[in-house]
Amino acid sequence: EDQVTQSPEALRLQEGESSSLNCSYTVSGLRGLFWYRQDPGKGPEFLFTLYSAGEEKEKERLKATLTKKESFLHITAPKPEDSATYLCAVLSSGNTPLVFGKGTRLSVIA
Amino acid sequence: DAGVIQSPRHEVTEMGQEVTLRCKLISGHNSLFWYRQTMMRGLELLIYFNNNVPIDDSGMPEDRFSAKMPNASFSTLKIQPSEPRDSAVYFCASSLGIGELFFGEGSRLTVL
Repeated sequence: EDQVTQSPEALRLQEGESSSLNCSYTVSGLRGLFWYRQDPGKGPEFLFTLYSAGEEKEKERLKATLTKKESFLHITAPKPEDSATYLCAVLSSGNTPLVFGKGTRLSVIA
Repeated sequence: DAGVIQSPRHEVTEMGQEVTLRCKLISGHNSLFWYRQTMMRGLELLIYFNNNVPIDDSGMPEDRFSAKMPNASFSTLKIQPSEPRDSAVYFCASSLGIGELFFGEGSRLTVL
């Protein structure tokens, strides 16, 4: 059974204080790892897809990386508007839809 | 494009009542997913359809839950009878295939 574990559950940063969120996964053949951002009262919004170990994707202050066992979402010099819950999901080689982790709730304080 | 549209956004009902949640897919998408989100369990897949056909409903909690896709652009999720433990945010998502999903804003259900 595919499993996704995200850590930490919650993270509080000062504005400008860089950090990383972790997503560990166990799947039977990874077809893709997805990162989503979810704001309160909204649906998850797609950020990145990573397909193979060593791949990196960047968007503004966010950079996602992938190894064979985990993915990191690096946040460089965060701003208060980066505050959200960040969700990680995996797509395995079986014909099953995305399996999501429980997310990391990020708060960036000015 | 208007994106995935869900209704109602909020629903408060009493135990035992029937609840119907609605979803309109993004035009051109052929897959439809219903997820449920709670603090304890996160996002859980309930059921998904491909080309209007239910492919996997193993996540549907029990017979009280049913989902239909009467046409290529619309789906309903029905709970009858509803129970307090059904309280959650229900999300609909659509996609081409089963890769990147586009979510609606969710329907927050409270069963008293």
